[in-house]
Amino acid sequence: GDSVTQMEGPVTLSEEAFLTINCTYTATGYPSLFWYVQYPGEGLQLLLKATKADDKGSNKGFEATYRKETTSFHLEKGSVQVSDSAVYFCALSDRSTGGSYIPTFGRGTSLIVHP
Amino acid sequence: DSGVTQTPKHLITATGQRVTLRCSPRSGDLSVYWYQQSLDQGLQFLIQYYNGEERAKGNILERFSAQQFPDLHSELNLSSLELGDSALYFCASSPTRSHFGNEQYFGPGTRLTVT
Repeated sequence: GDSVTQMEGPVTLSEEAFLTINCTYTATGYPSLFWYVQYPGEGLQLLLKATKADDKGSNKGFEATYRKETTSFHLEKGSVQVSDSAVYFCALSDRSTGGSYIPTFGRGTSLIVHP
Repeated sequence: DSGVTQTPKHLITATGQRVTLRCSPRSGDLSVYWYQQSLDQGLQFLIQYYNGEERAKGNILERFSAQQFPDLHSELNLSSLELGDSALYFCASSPTRSHFGNEQYFGPGTRLTVT
């Protein structure tokens, strides 16, 4: 079945540091890819997405590029802020054998940013 | 605020009992998704309904069932509860039938504790 693998956290950074959170996937079809963010006590919010190879999703300074050749969708940000502290989830949507699209999430990576 | 509401926020019950979790999607959204988030399993997709009909099924136990009503709200029923069912249960909604490339809007979750 499909799966999403994220680097284990927590990732601890100082403010203004560069962020990379690795995400790789396995899928039987041609999935769409997502990054979601979850702040403490809240539900997940979409951060960015990409639907085809070489697409770059971007939002709020975060970027990720859909790399089909390496089955990866790594999240990057050039300069993190304390307010970016949250849990980040990589996810995909792939067509199941029944024809519907099934969402699959990674286990999440906690990011802690210190002032 | 995503516009998705879930009740109750917290639920404490005993093993063997049955509970019902409720979700109201964003106005106009026809799809409702249910997820279970636990420390050991991460975020697991359970089931999707679209306009009252089951659309996709994930790792949902036979003890669990769901439905979507004509007013589009959804309920997740969990029966014969076990300690391992303790988790955060999220509902998400989207306007489309397919998850491919489409954002889901998550509610704040219901925390279930089984004692």
